[in-house]
Amino acid sequence: QSVLTQPPSVSGAPGQRITISCTGSSSNLGADYDVHWYQQLPGAVPRLLIFGNNNRPSGVPDRFSGSKSGASAALAINGLQPEDEAGYYCQSYDKGLSIWVFGGGTKVTVL
Amino acid sequence: EAQLVQSGAEVKKPGESLKISCKGSGFNFNTYWIGWVRQRPGKGLESLGIMYPGDGETRYGPSFQGQGTVSADNSITTAYLQLNSLKASDTAIYYCARFLAADGFDVWGKGTMVTVSS
Repeated sequence: QSVLTQPPSVSGAPGQRITISCTGSSSNLGADYDVHWYQQLPGAVPRLLIFGNNNRPSGVPDRFSGSKSGASAALAINGLQPEDEAGYYCQSYDKGLSIWVFGGGTKVTVL
Repeated sequence: EAQLVQSGAEVKKPGESLKISCKGSGFNFNTYWIGWVRQRPGKGLESLGIMYPGDGETRYGPSFQGQGTVSADNSITTAYLQLNSLKASDTAIYYCARFLAADGFDVWGKGTMVTVSS
């Protein structure tokens, strides 16, 4: 059980907006540590999607955006595309564990 | 271009040990953390351990404490993950990745598949 909680699954129709939540505590997100997000396509290596709460690496479409408030963070996908069907993971530092940890992951299904 | 190249797939028996390598190139190996991430079949990503080769600082995830060690040889820009007393539940893909606190894991190795079976 991770200290960062994500919903196991989220689904949406093509073109819709979906959000994936990442809920932490005063030991991680609530302690003002940054959150990063990763996308893992089926059978592929994870890739960095959002870093430092709301920054996109070059090559990541601008339909992906991140936000953070207090002990929670969210990844939004605007205009959902079939190729967005993947696993998504949040990550942050936990001062109790003294290491960066992942959330449990969210499987996004495009209906 | 920054790159991490991992050693190949392994098949081991329960109780055996294993050392996986991860060679960095195209960046200053001493100024990044190198982390190790496990993914069991059909499961999520787990942080096993992370090391800063520049000064040797090492941290371990709660699920990996006592199960092995992370290390690095700066002279050949290579990081290692040692897995001890392997069990069937260690069957997984093991990834290394380059990390900065502000930037996340931005460069990943292709993963090393480890199968533990009698």
